[in-house]
Amino acid sequence: GENVEQHPSTLSVQEGDSAVIKCTYSDSASNYFPWYKQELGKRPQLIIDIRSNVGEKKDQRIAVTLNKTAKHFSLHITETQPEDSAVYFCAASITSGTGNQFYFGTGTSLTVIP
Amino acid sequence: NAGVTQTPKFRVLKTGQSMTLLCAQDMNHEYMYWYRQDPGMGLRLIHYSVGEGTTAKGEVPDGYNVSRLKKQNFLLGLESAAPSQTSVYFCASRGSGAYEQYFGPGTRLTVT
Repeated sequence: GENVEQHPSTLSVQEGDSAVIKCTYSDSASNYFPWYKQELGKRPQLIIDIRSNVGEKKDQRIAVTLNKTAKHFSLHITETQPEDSAVYFCAASITSGTGNQFYFGTGTSLTVIP
Repeated sequence: NAGVTQTPKFRVLKTGQSMTLLCAQDMNHEYMYWYRQDPGMGLRLIHYSVGEGTTAKGEVPDGYNVSRLKKQNFLLGLESAAPSQTSVYFCASRGSGAYEQYFGPGTRLTVT
């Protein structure tokens, strides 16, 4: 099956700086790569996603890049704010005959220091 | 429109007891998923369903059973709970032709 690795596991940045989280995946058949933000005690919330036919996607301060050749994708948060502090998860999805399965990274705990 | 709901929110079981977690969605979604989340492990897929009456195994299915008798409901059963099943369980749903999953609020289960 698919294996998704995520780095770093913890990340501290000063408010206003940028944060970058990286993920790699193993199965070249993966075709959908979402990123989730999870605050303490809450459910994961989708913040941005990218499909395999696109190399980059941006939504205000958040961007995701995908390198299919190298099988890695990254989340970029610019002008970080204290409310960006949370755990972020990447995921990779493979379409199979019985539907999509999602494989998650182990998470990055982001702390934005005011 | 409540989205995805889960019942119960919290539960404490003794080893060997059984229980059923209920996931319900009101978005007419075809696909439904059960995950468990453990510290440092991310979310791992237990079982999923691609439609009413169908189920399939995910990454970590042992010790769990599921049923999808109605399109809007996806039940996760633990026949004989073990301390290793202490976790937070999330249900999710997704519409056919769409990619985004919608998560429920989670169920925190402790097995002593």
